[in-house]
Amino acid sequence: DAGVTQTPRHEVAEKGQTIILKCEPVSGHNDLFWYRQTKIQGLELLSYFRSKSLMEDGGAFKDRFKAEMLNSSFSTLKIQPTEPKDSAVYLCASSLTGLGDSAETLYFGSGTRLTVL
Amino acid sequence: AQKVTQTQTSISVVEKTTVTMDCVYETRDSSYFLFWYKQTASGEIVFLIRQDSYKKENATVGHYSLNFQKPKSSIGLIITATQIEDSAVYFCAMREDMNYNQGKLIFGQGTKLSIKP
Repeated sequence: DAGVTQTPRHEVAEKGQTIILKCEPVSGHNDLFWYRQTKIQGLELLSYFRSKSLMEDGGAFKDRFKAEMLNSSFSTLKIQPTEPKDSAVYLCASSLTGLGDSAETLYFGSGTRLTVL
Repeated sequence: AQKVTQTQTSISVVEKTTVTMDCVYETRDSSYFLFWYKQTASGEIVFLIRQDSYKKENATVGHYSLNFQKPKSSIGLIITATQIEDSAVYFCAMREDMNYNQGKLIFGQGTKLSIKP
């Protein structure tokens, strides 16, 4: 089975640009998460979808960050406009809700490393 | 509010020994899930092991085991017979039961483990 797929692996943007990061969750998973990872802040939750419904919109990240789940197998994270402080690794994860040993466990993609100049 | 704390910033041990990493959590929920993840040098975040709060028996997977002390809100990770390739950053995480809450996953700050030959 394919795991979580994120594209691109690396992205370089100029300040003020709009960038879109993409994620395909594990087939059949109904929860999808976007996290940002930096050395200072660690892993921060940006957005969380359950069965395509937005459950968490990341509070402090609402302003320029928008995650969408266009269908159950594809999600995007748009950052508009980008700022140098957005430089980080953006991680997508998915999980299955319900019963069973593998339910509730998040599986992560390889991440997108974003550099904003 | 949910909180996960890993107080050990880094640990260094000799190969083939046993290491324990600490983690404490805060939750008001009676039902929750606890996880340990490993982040390799390449940045990949890999699921290792989990403990469901209602289970009394400590989870074991391969050379990973957990020391779950519910009254102390503690979930330690034990790695026996450590190998060089166990060198990584280890994250503790908690997810509250999504039947009662939104079910987002909150991470600790991470512990960097170095295995020396």
